[in-house]
Amino acid sequence: DGGITQSPKYLFRKEGQNVTLSCEQNLNHDAMYWYRQDPGQGLRLIYYSQIVNDFQKGDIAEGYSVSREKKESFPLTVTSAQKNPTAFYLCASSLYEGAGELFFGEGSRLTVL
Amino acid sequence: QQPVQSPQAVILREGEDAVINCSSSKALYSVHWYRQKHGEAPVFLMILLKGGEQKGHEKISASFNEKKQQSSLYLTASQLSYSGTYFCGSLEEGDKIIFGKGTRLHILP
Repeated sequence: DGGITQSPKYLFRKEGQNVTLSCEQNLNHDAMYWYRQDPGQGLRLIYYSQIVNDFQKGDIAEGYSVSREKKESFPLTVTSAQKNPTAFYLCASSLYEGAGELFFGEGSRLTVL
Repeated sequence: QQPVQSPQAVILREGEDAVINCSSSKALYSVHWYRQKHGEAPVFLMILLKGGEQKGHEKISASFNEKKQQSSLYLTASQLSYSGTYFCGSLEEGDKIIFGKGTRLHILP
């Protein structure tokens, strides 16, 4: 079955450590997105990519980094520079950038101790 | 800047109607609507493109007025399964989709 797979589902890290969240899709979608979800804040865009080897910052990119070396993969690294990294992270993809339906992964919950 | 959704939360009895509004200070190229149940990923409901179109899916429909930069989601004869948080997303310049803070809908039996 086609879909988006995020891993790990739960992750605990010590403050000051970088962590990388995985996002893989087998839908052959061109566009991929990373959102952060905090209670009462909705979904806030971190980074997005429309094609391989290209990505753009969203509204809250500071303290995060991404790569898009393959069409099906869009990993997100939460660096030690992110001041408040504890959150629920959602990856999404769409066939057509912007105009197409977003398919979301199940999310990764990161807790920094 | 995130689109503004109203109300923030609403409680209904099964069978009642609800309207969720979404407005933006920026030009809207299209509007997405999603529903998220607790602990799950958001699920797509519909996309509205320019032209003031109205779409419907069973008892859930939506309208989009690009001049007013507003969209509304209409839920008629609500069912228990409609409970969840509803998000509108606006397609902005640069092909990024920006979501509002969500509207929590709770349906009572």
